[in-house]
Amino acid sequence: ILNVEQSPQSLHVQEGDSTNFTCSFPSSNFYALHWYRWETAKSPEALFVMTLNGDEKKKGRISATLNTKEGYSYLYIKGSQPEDSATYLCAIFQGGKLIFGQGTELSVKP
Amino acid sequence: KAGVTQTPRYLIKTRGQQVTLSCSPISGHRSVSWYQQTPGQGLQFLFEYFSETQRNKGNFPGRFSGRQFSNSRSEMNVSTLELGDSALYLCASSPSSGSSYNEQFFGPGTRLTVL
Repeated sequence: ILNVEQSPQSLHVQEGDSTNFTCSFPSSNFYALHWYRWETAKSPEALFVMTLNGDEKKKGRISATLNTKEGYSYLYIKGSQPEDSATYLCAIFQGGKLIFGQGTELSVKP
Repeated sequence: KAGVTQTPRYLIKTRGQQVTLSCSPISGHRSVSWYQQTPGQGLQFLFEYFSETQRNKGNFPGRFSGRQFSNSRSEMNVSTLELGDSALYLCASSPSSGSSYNEQFFGPGTRLTVL
């Protein structure tokens, strides 16, 4: 059974703080890693799909890196805003399906 | 383009009953996947349908089943409901099946409560 671990489980930061969280996964048979943002009362939305070791993706203030050899990905948010408050999910594609971690719940206080 | 829609949004059932949930994917998307989310658990993969065929299945009992129609709409059925089936059920669509590159487009979910 493939385990996708995310840390921390929750994070509380002040507006303007930069933050990062981790997604860990077994490094063998890697195909792709997905990051999703899930805001309360909305549907999860894809942020990034990453496939190559050393991959770096950026969307506005949010960026992500991928290390497939050691089995981790970091998601960074620069200058957090209240609208960044959400649960951030990572998932590994394996066996034809996405296997999700439990998510990191981010709360940004104004 | 309209997004993924799910009906109903909320459902209350009693133990032993059965339930059918519906999902309409984004126009042109042929793959529909179903996920269950319970408190303390991440999204758990139930199954995926593509071109009316089940392509992948997660580790759930046979009480959970699904199907897909020729217009790519999908239904999920749970028979003999148990209290532990109370959860948010999400469906997600993507253009094709089996590609690690395809992001999933999620619907708003159906909140099922089993009493």
